[in-house]
Amino acid sequence: KAGVTQTPRYLIKTRGQQVTLSCSPISGHRSVSWYQQTPGQGLQFLFEYFSETQRNKGNFPGRFSGRQFSNSRSEMNVSTLELGDSALYLCASSPQTTNTEAFFGQGTRLTVV
Amino acid sequence: SQKIEQNSEALNIQEGKTATLTCNYTNYSPAYLQWYRQDPGRGPVFLLLIRENEKEKRKERLKVTFDTTLKQSLFHITASQPADSATYLCALHNYGQNFVFGPGTRLSVLP
Repeated sequence: KAGVTQTPRYLIKTRGQQVTLSCSPISGHRSVSWYQQTPGQGLQFLFEYFSETQRNKGNFPGRFSGRQFSNSRSEMNVSTLELGDSALYLCASSPQTTNTEAFFGQGTRLTVV
Repeated sequence: SQKIEQNSEALNIQEGKTATLTCNYTNYSPAYLQWYRQDPGRGPVFLLLIRENEKEKRKERLKVTFDTTLKQSLFHITASQPADSATYLCALHNYGQNFVFGPGTRLSVLP
């Protein structure tokens, strides 16, 4: 069974631009969550999607948004990039709800210059 | 607000010894507690899940305890090996809610 796939692996963007990251969950998994990981703040929850609906949302500004498609694939978008958005963005999938383990992808390393 | 602390940022132990990592939390009553391992540049990998009504869980050389009175979980790796060197994260959550991760402990097992 293929694991969680995130694309691209690395990305360099300029301040003010916008970016879209993609996540393909494990086949059959319906829950997809996104996290931001930085050395100073650790792993912080962005949002969770389940069956195309956003179920939970973390404490991030509205510049961070996401969506989930009918095949469970998910995208997250960050508009008007700031230097502080530089981070490792991780996607995790779970079979149903968040009472089971999460399977993480390798992440997308975003650098904003 | 919820706060999770992990005993130390870094822990060095000798190969063959037991590594004990601590996860303490406040202002939270999680139904589930999980431990993950993360290697540099990679996503976390699930190790163990323990529920609030369970005291202890084991898997091979790993053991987790969960004390809801002390608001603490202990994570043990017995007969540690250099390959166990990684950052270990605890994560807490309730049913249907998002995970809250601790800052992690970087474990180094010295040969």
